[in-house]
Amino acid sequence: KQEVTQIPAALSVPEGENLVLNCSFTDSAIYNLQWFRQDPGKGLTSLLLIQSSQREQTSGRLNASLDKSSGRSTLYIAASQPGDSATYLCAVLLFHYGNNRLAFGKGNQVVVIP
Amino acid sequence: DTEVTQTPKHLVMGMTNKKSLKCEQHMGHRAMYWYKQKAKKPPELMFVYSYEKLSINESVPSRFSPECPNSSLLNLHLHALQPEDSALYLCASSQEPGQGSYGYTFGSGTRLTVV
Repeated sequence: KQEVTQIPAALSVPEGENLVLNCSFTDSAIYNLQWFRQDPGKGLTSLLLIQSSQREQTSGRLNASLDKSSGRSTLYIAASQPGDSATYLCAVLLFHYGNNRLAFGKGNQVVVIP
Repeated sequence: DTEVTQTPKHLVMGMTNKKSLKCEQHMGHRAMYWYKQKAKKPPELMFVYSYEKLSINESVPSRFSPECPNSSLLNLHLHALQPEDSALYLCASSQEPGQGSYGYTFGSGTRLTVV
């Protein structure tokens, strides 16, 4: 069974510092990996999607890397801002008997202190 | 249109009520999903519809009844719920079932409270 782990579970950083969020997964047979942002009580917003054949994706201040062989992904957020405070969820896409399944980590809860 | 729209945003219902949650997408996605999320937990898969047919039911109690009237709409009918069913219900869609090239798009959720 695929297990997805996110470390640290929670962190606080001062504004302007770079954020580094880690995600690990136990089975490298994934199709892609997606990073989501979730604000309290809200839905999930997709940040970056990395295909299994890719090593990284970038969007603005966000950069996500993927090392499928070691089962790791890292989300970097440069020059953090208070508006980056949220929970960040990592999810890997599995293919199982003709259906897609997302396996989620428990999230990194981030607070950026002004 | 690149959104998944869920209504209502908030719902309070009694244990004897019948209500429905609605989800709509106009991106041409052929897979649609219902997830349940409790506070400080990741989303848990409930149902998957693939080409408008139910393909996965994660042993969800029968008081939750999904329906996919067409390729753009997904409903979740609720009846005789328990207080422990209070949660954020999320709908999601993806472009092609069984394909690994596409990401998921989630709606903003319905916050359900059962009293």
